[in-house]
Amino acid sequence: TQLLEQSPQFLSIQEGENLTVYCNSSSVFSSLQWYRQEPGEGPVLLVTVVTGGEVKKLKRLTFQFGDARKDSSLHITAAQPGDTGLYLCAGAPETSGSRLTFGEGTQLTVNP
Amino acid sequence: NAGVTQTPKFRILKIGQSMTLQCAQDMNHNYMYWYRQDPGMGLKLIYYSVGAGITDKGEVPNGYNVSRSTTEDFPLRLELAAPSQTSVYFCASSYGKSSYNSPLHFGNGTRLTVT
Repeated sequence: TQLLEQSPQFLSIQEGENLTVYCNSSSVFSSLQWYRQEPGEGPVLLVTVVTGGEVKKLKRLTFQFGDARKDSSLHITAAQPGDTGLYLCAGAPETSGSRLTFGEGTQLTVNP
Repeated sequence: NAGVTQTPKFRILKIGQSMTLQCAQDMNHNYMYWYRQDPGMGLKLIYYSVGAGITDKGEVPNGYNVSRSTTEDFPLRLELAAPSQTSVYFCASSYGKSSYNSPLHFGNGTRLTVT
């Protein structure tokens, strides 16, 4: 089983601050997805990165896929209370594209 | 557009009881999945299906059973509930196998407590 480790597990910051969440593995993934989950709801896809070194931006969120396709990061600029939620990374191993491996998640709280 | 619908939202079971968690999707997706989510543990795959009549085990299948008689429905069965099965269960679907162009669509979960 390929493992994805996310850090930090918990993050509490003030509105306007910047933050970075990391997702690391010793395995290579064909693609990596980031999801956000709010209380009482299922995860919702934010972005998929496919190419090593790829950078994608979604408003104030910047996602990067490592050159070796073993790690990824999510950077949020000027965080807002609406960014509060559980952020999950999920990797598609090269050998079984339909069975994503999920990280443990990062619980982000942005205080007004 | 309903997407993925799970019922019930909450359930409390006594040890040894059985129940079925329902999942239906209206997006004509071939692939369907059941995950459980425990605090600090991310999502663990229980079972998945690549189409009607085909199911396969995920990471944590023990104590569960599934069936896929139609494209739309993918129920999860707990035969003898145990406290270790206390969790939040999520059903998801995707159009195809390749995750980069076929992301998962999740339901809103069923919170199950076994006492």
